[in-house]
Amino acid sequence: SQQGEEDPQALSIQEGENATMNCSYKTSINNLQWYRQNSGRGLVHLILIRSNEREKHSGRLRVTLDTSKKSSSLLITASRAADTASYFCATGALGGGKLIFGQGTELSVKP
Amino acid sequence: DTAVSQTPKYLVTQMGNDKSIKCEQNLGHDTMYWYKQDSKKFLKIMFSYNNKELIINETVPNRFSPKSPDKAHLNLHINSLELGDSAVYFCASSGTSGGLEQYFGPGTRLTVT
Repeated sequence: SQQGEEDPQALSIQEGENATMNCSYKTSINNLQWYRQNSGRGLVHLILIRSNEREKHSGRLRVTLDTSKKSSSLLITASRAADTASYFCATGALGGGKLIFGQGTELSVKP
Repeated sequence: DTAVSQTPKYLVTQMGNDKSIKCEQNLGHDTMYWYKQDSKKFLKIMFSYNNKELIINETVPNRFSPKSPDKAHLNLHINSLELGDSAVYFCASSGTSGGLEQYFGPGTRLTVT
């Protein structure tokens, strides 16, 4: 069954604005990851946050994790047209194993 | 110098046929995966191999059979293809089994007519 639910399913913003995507999950996790998928391409790993971390930054990306609420958010600051893509959260379970992906958020950044 | 490669990129075939998709990674990773992405972009794991051994086998019809000749290769063979098998299949690899960051191939778009 699907682990992650992402919100919103689609987001359209202007270049320069910030984009925030949210992910909720159901079970205990070891880590949560965010991936980007450009149209017709494979997924690219963006950032990983472990269950004992609350916030992580990488360039224009900021990820937060609230394990009490079983939720995470991805913030992309100063968005660019090249950020247009689908963004997926994925959870890694305790004790190792598979990644379970959310349904994705389709981000469109208009120049 | 592609990290994870898949062939073919596109595959169009008729119902009932048998087809294979090949995957190779040059990252020196121990673990490889097959995922299926449906038309709604929902991505679901199918199989995972660690050092040529099957470690994850989700609820997948036994028409699907993965084979790992060595830890750099993971192929997917599909027998008696059905319309519902139409999807994009992604291969991925990671350094250790345990859900750490994964590197994805470009995908194989399978269309069954």
